[in-house]
Amino acid sequence: GNSVTQMEGPVTLSEEAFLTINCTYTATGYPSLFWYVQYPGEGLQLLLKATKADDKGSNKGFEATYRKETTSFHLEKGSVQVSDSAVYFCALIVQGGKLIFGQGTELSVKP
Amino acid sequence: NAGVTQTPKFQVLKTGQSMTLQCAQDMNHEYMSWYRQDPGMGLRLIHYSVGAGITDQGEVPNGYNVSRSTTEDFPLRLLSAAPSQTSVYFCASMGGLLGGYTFGSGTRLTVV
Repeated sequence: GNSVTQMEGPVTLSEEAFLTINCTYTATGYPSLFWYVQYPGEGLQLLLKATKADDKGSNKGFEATYRKETTSFHLEKGSVQVSDSAVYFCALIVQGGKLIFGQGTELSVKP
Repeated sequence: NAGVTQTPKFQVLKTGQSMTLQCAQDMNHEYMSWYRQDPGMGLRLIHYSVGAGITDQGEVPNGYNVSRSTTEDFPLRLLSAAPSQTSVYFCASMGGLLGGYTFGSGTRLTVV
């Protein structure tokens, strides 16, 4: 079946630290991959996406590369800020339009 | 351009009551979905639709009905509310498989 696995949280970092949140997937066919972010008390926002192998999605200093050979889509940011504190969801879309989420990783950035 | 609009934002129901959560989008998107979000459970797909007149079940469809009579609207019906349906519900829409879904701001439902 189709599934997404993310690293467990919560992740706690100091401001300006390097961030990596691991995400791996299982899918039939060639899914599109996404990272969504949910700030406290809010809905989900699309952070970045990649639609084919070796594509790199980027937004607001965050990056993720679609690695077909390792079925991964790890999220990275070189220097996190307190305002990046949120829950991050890795997700994929398969044929038919079903959006399947990982379990989410809570990030807390301390000043 | 309002995006995805969900109403109401908050609702309290008594066990056994029925209600409809409304979802409307003004982006002419073909794909629409309903999710519930529970602590420690992430987001789980309830029902989805690939166009007007076409719906399908997701991961947790029991206790919920949907219909898609127009492209714009995708209401979620709770037939007989149960405490286990206490959750935050999100509706989302997407124009094509490469674009990603746009989410509404959610409905927080409490069943007592």
